[in-house]
Amino acid sequence: EVQLVESGGGLVQPGGSLRLSCAASGFTFSSYWMHWVRQAPGKGLVWVSRITSDGSSTGYADSVKGRFTISRDNAKNTLYLQMNSLRAEDTAVYYCSSVVTGIPGWGQGTLVTVSS
Amino acid sequence: DIVMTQSPDSLAVSLGERATINCKSSQSVSYSSNNKNYLGWYQQKPGQPPKLLIYWASTRESGVPDRFSGSGSATDFTLTISSLQAEDVAVYYCHQYYSTPWTFGQGTKVEIK
Repeated sequence: EVQLVESGGGLVQPGGSLRLSCAASGFTFSSYWMHWVRQAPGKGLVWVSRITSDGSSTGYADSVKGRFTISRDNAKNTLYLQMNSLRAEDTAVYYCSSVVTGIPGWGQGTLVTVSS
Repeated sequence: DIVMTQSPDSLAVSLGERATINCKSSQSVSYSSNNKNYLGWYQQKPGQPPKLLIYWASTRESGVPDRFSGSGSATDFTLTISSLQAEDVAVYYCHQYYSTPWTFGQGTKVEIK
C-alpha cells in the first residue's frame, strides 16, 4: 500500500524559509515522479511542483518559481520542498502525491502558515 | 495548461436521490496508447485530505461504496452518486493527471436538501 507522510510544516514569518519532507513507502519510490500540491484555507487544490524519478528534471507553478525548490533522496525514499521568501499567500496545506500504477496516492498533508 | 471545469458549483440533493457532477477538460486527457483516461475524482470533507474515489475516469478505488461511479472519456466526465447518503456531504473535485501541471476542477459542494 502506498504511504506518503508529510512533515515540516509550521508557522513562519513572511520572508522566511521552511523545508517540507515527504516520506514514502509501499512502492518503489525511485521509479516514480513525485508532486507537491497545496490547498489554501477554504480554497481548491493547486499543483505546486514535480520532479522526475531520478531527480534530473523539475517543474514549478509560476507562483512559486524561483522561490521553491523540489528535490528527492531516492536512497532515503524521501521527497523535499525547500520554500524560501515565503509570502502570506503561500499559507496552505501542502500534500505530496504520486501516481503509482495509474492510481494517484496522497499524503495527509502538512500545514504551512505564513504570518507575522 | 489543461483547464478543468466542474458543474455545478454546488448542489442539494435529497437523501436517497441521485447526485451528478460534471467535469470538462479543455483538451483530451486520454492516452491512445492504452485507451486510459487520466482523470480522478476525490471527495473532501472539512479538515481532511482529499480521498480518491475514482481513477482512470471509471475505476472505483478499493473500499469506495458502489453508489459512487465515474464515466466519460476524452474531455467530458461525470461522477454519479446513485443514492445520496448523509455521509456523502462533502466537496468533490476532478483531477487530470494526464500532463503537468496537474490541474483540478474548482470543486462541487454537495449538500442534503
